[in-house]
Amino acid sequence: AQKITQTQPGMFVQEKEAVTLDCTYDTSDPSYGLFWYKQPSSGEMIFLIYQGSYDQQNATEGRYSLNFQKARKSANLVISASQLGDSAMYFCAMREGNAGGTSYGKLTFGQGTILTVHP
Amino acid sequence: EPEVTQTPSHQVTQMGQEVILRCVPISNHLYFYWYRQILGQKVEFLVSFYNNEISEKSEIFDDQFSVERPDGSNFTLKIRSTKLEDSAMYFCASSLPRTAFFGQGTRLTVV
Repeated sequence: AQKITQTQPGMFVQEKEAVTLDCTYDTSDPSYGLFWYKQPSSGEMIFLIYQGSYDQQNATEGRYSLNFQKARKSANLVISASQLGDSAMYFCAMREGNAGGTSYGKLTFGQGTILTVHP
Repeated sequence: EPEVTQTPSHQVTQMGQEVILRCVPISNHLYFYWYRQILGQKVEFLVSFYNNEISEKSEIFDDQFSVERPDGSNFTLKIRSTKLEDSAMYFCASSLPRTAFFGQGTRLTVV
């Protein structure tokens, strides 16, 4: 079974609008962390945001926020006020056993969503 | 801002040759990783490294792969006898609990 599922192969958004990229995960570990990365066409992996399973609040970093719904096992990335430079592949990833900061385990990635921002 | 640095950015090698991919992790990080991404596919974990030894490896990380930290700053991935299917982007990463920073990657092409 897939541990991380990103069901949207591609998404389109108009510049200055908000967009939500979906991510669902599967784990039996109560302690885990969820990461989002941006991969532009140049290929590098840029860390965007992190959410721990025991965090009381949804994570936010500038225009990025994470809509964390633990019971549904979803961790959707919300990008507000989209910019042309947001066009990229976006990956969701999970590290199990990390919510308490006690694990440095591997990241398991989803398949990614290609986001295209239209002017 | 501290960053993970990888060299070279691109490498072309002949099948059967050995390659060494190099990484300089962020200095106060203790855990280091190698991942790979075959073109158009998802990122796959290869190996994690802590305290000068492998802490976890995937089934991809077979005997043709090895890692070491030769001098306290560099972190290397060696592929002993490259195969066509080793062609991929290889990422080094270093980590704190709530972050994991990736280098810009080395694009390896085996011909």
